[in-house]
Amino acid sequence: GQQLNQSPQSMFIQEGEDVSMNCTSSSIFNTWLWYKQDPGEGPVLLIALYKAGELTSNGRLTAQFGITRKDSFLNISASIPSDVGIYFCAGLRFGNEKLTFGTGTRLTIIP
Amino acid sequence: DAGVIQSPRHEVTEMGQEVTLRCKPISGHNSLFWYRQTMMRGLELLIYFNNNVPIDDSGMPEDRFSAKMPNASFSTLKIQPSEPRDSAVYFCASSIYKNNEQFFGPGTRLTVL
Repeated sequence: GQQLNQSPQSMFIQEGEDVSMNCTSSSIFNTWLWYKQDPGEGPVLLIALYKAGELTSNGRLTAQFGITRKDSFLNISASIPSDVGIYFCAGLRFGNEKLTFGTGTRLTIIP
Repeated sequence: DAGVIQSPRHEVTEMGQEVTLRCKPISGHNSLFWYRQTMMRGLELLIYFNNNVPIDDSGMPEDRFSAKMPNASFSTLKIQPSEPRDSAVYFCASSIYKNNEQFFGPGTRLTVL
């Protein structure tokens, strides 16, 4: 099925660094969701965005709904070891309950 | 509060055998989704239900796959007969109908030998 373009595919950072990742689409979405998946677990919902331009925070995480409605961004400030995992964006079109998932960004923290 | 519950967490079976995966959605959620995750294809939606009724099964790969939701607190995904290419992690997710936030279970890792 269709997937959203997510970048970067992987990131290797040091503890304490800030992280930025994004998700882009050729079509408009009305809802953007960001999930984190740990090894052997299911995706966990981090942030939900419902309005173009919306900026929402959840602790050290901040996500934005792009004003074109075709993209979304996730930032993590002052990364810590437990931030390691795969981050997925997911978009939802108006009137549609089927999430379209991004390809994922794998975050690794270098000791 | 209990999240989405899936069983078994791991299943190893031989080609040709029937496999049944189970899901209990979050209490009060009336939409349920079955996904499959593989390295090659990422997360794919297989089928979803609203109020126990299947709404879209266009993602079900073939007739060997079937899903049921006999009541609001239980759903099954069955593969019969199973094939090695069915090996994947299968996730169940639930949400409140028309609330877009889907909550995932821990998944069932299926290996078909």
